[in-house]
Amino acid sequence: EADIYQTPRYLVIGTGKKITLECSQTMGHDKMYWYQQDPGMELHLIHYSYGVNSTEKGDLSSESTVSRIRTEHFPLTLESARPSHTSQYLCASSAVTGNPGGTDTQYFGPGTRLTVL
Amino acid sequence: GESVGLHLPTLSVQEGDNSIINCAYSNSASDYFIWYKQESGKGPQFIIDIRSNMDKRQGQRVTVLLNKTVKHLSLQIAATQPGDSAVYFCAEETGRRALTFGSGTRLQVQP
Repeated sequence: EADIYQTPRYLVIGTGKKITLECSQTMGHDKMYWYQQDPGMELHLIHYSYGVNSTEKGDLSSESTVSRIRTEHFPLTLESARPSHTSQYLCASSAVTGNPGGTDTQYFGPGTRLTVL
Repeated sequence: GESVGLHLPTLSVQEGDNSIINCAYSNSASDYFIWYKQESGKGPQFIIDIRSNMDKRQGQRVTVLLNKTVKHLSLQIAATQPGDSAVYFCAEETGRRALTFGSGTRLQVQP
């Protein structure tokens, strides 16, 4: 069972507000990810991190930013929320398996459903 | 571009029947595949994975088959139960970056 947490679970906020979505994991995983998912649709990678002080943009362009100051924490920030940011945001983490050339299994948090009015 | 897609958006089965969910991928360099289950309001939950050097892997009530020749992946669920109702995603990893997800198949289990 993966221990990865996201807060808040639901957020309704007005346009122009600054928001931070929290993600924490207690597994000591080096790699962490943020995905954006619209209802019933596939997940799109927006940010990832391979370790402390490492952050990269994902496949889907996003106006959000991330930081990785501590291994266990990977917050996502929107400086000025807009209705187009309404979506579900999923955080995941992974660690390299023990297999040679091992691949990573990603474990997901419960998600934050963001609604911007 | 590369993509991961699913053949059927919705699959309806009777309780106790076996379910087969299919997935096509287009990147022949993909070396790792995962099936996730996502229930309403929750994050995806890992079900089973398979590496490209295998063609079959079994778990508890689930089997994943990989056909690299036709770039096809399937998830078989034996004796489907109401608790199996969810959206199922296949995902592929190329290299060691992140996952590319397909669009999902909704499995509905009829009592």
